[in-house]
Amino acid sequence: KNEVEQSPQNLTAQEGEFITINCSYSVGISALHWLQQHPGGGIVSLFMLSSGKKKHGRLIATINIQEKHSSLHITASHPRDSAVYICAAIKTSYDKVIFGPGTSLSVIP
Amino acid sequence: EPEVTQTPSHQVTQMGQEVILRCVPISNHLYFYWYRQILGQKVEFLVSFYNNEISEKSEIFDDQFSVERPDGSNFTLKIRSTKLEDSAMYFCASRGQAVQPQHFGDGTRLSIL
Repeated sequence: KNEVEQSPQNLTAQEGEFITINCSYSVGISALHWLQQHPGGGIVSLFMLSSGKKKHGRLIATINIQEKHSSLHITASHPRDSAVYICAAIKTSYDKVIFGPGTSLSVIP
Repeated sequence: EPEVTQTPSHQVTQMGQEVILRCVPISNHLYFYWYRQILGQKVEFLVSFYNNEISEKSEIFDDQFSVERPDGSNFTLKIRSTKLEDSAMYFCASRGQAVQPQHFGDGTRLSIL
C-alpha cells in the first residue's frame, strides 16, 4: 500500500466548477505539501501546511491531522488550472518527502 | 522573484558514463533536495542535504549517487556508471528556515542511451 494516496486519479471538469482533490497518508508527518506540475514538467509549490486551512486566490487547502487527510479545493475552475496536482508528505524535520501519485485535472471551456 | 535554476535542461549520456547535474538553489536557502521522476511515474525523493551533509536519503540513493555543494552557490548530483533505468527528469529544490515551502527548479531531463 502506498504511504500517500490521492483521489481521484483523473478528473475532468467544466470551466467554473468547484473541484476537490483528496489526499490521505499513513505516515507521521511534520507538514504536507500541495504541488502543481504543469504539462511541460515544471513543479510549483501551492501550499505547505501542518494544520488547519490555507487559502490563496481560488485555491484552498485543508488538513486534518487526526484523520491523516488533506484536501485541495479549486473554486471557479479555469482551463489554465489544468495540470497534475501532487500531494507530498514530509515525514521528518529533515524533509524526507513521500509523494502521492498525482491527480490529473483537465478543465474544459 | 528568486528561483532555483538547473543546468542543463536536457542531458544525453551513454550508458556507463558519469553525469553531473547542476543546481543553483535560492541564495539564502539552507535545505536542498534532489528528486527524480521517471516518465509516466510519480516524483520520488532521492536525498536531502543540510549543513554540508546528507540529512535523509531514499533507498534509490545508493552508492551510484552522490551530492556535493562544492561552493557557496552550486548543489550537484553525480551519477556514476549510468544505467538505462536512470533515464528520468531530475528536480532540484531548496527551502529556507522552519516550515517553508520548497522551491523547485525546472528539472533536467536525463536520457541514457
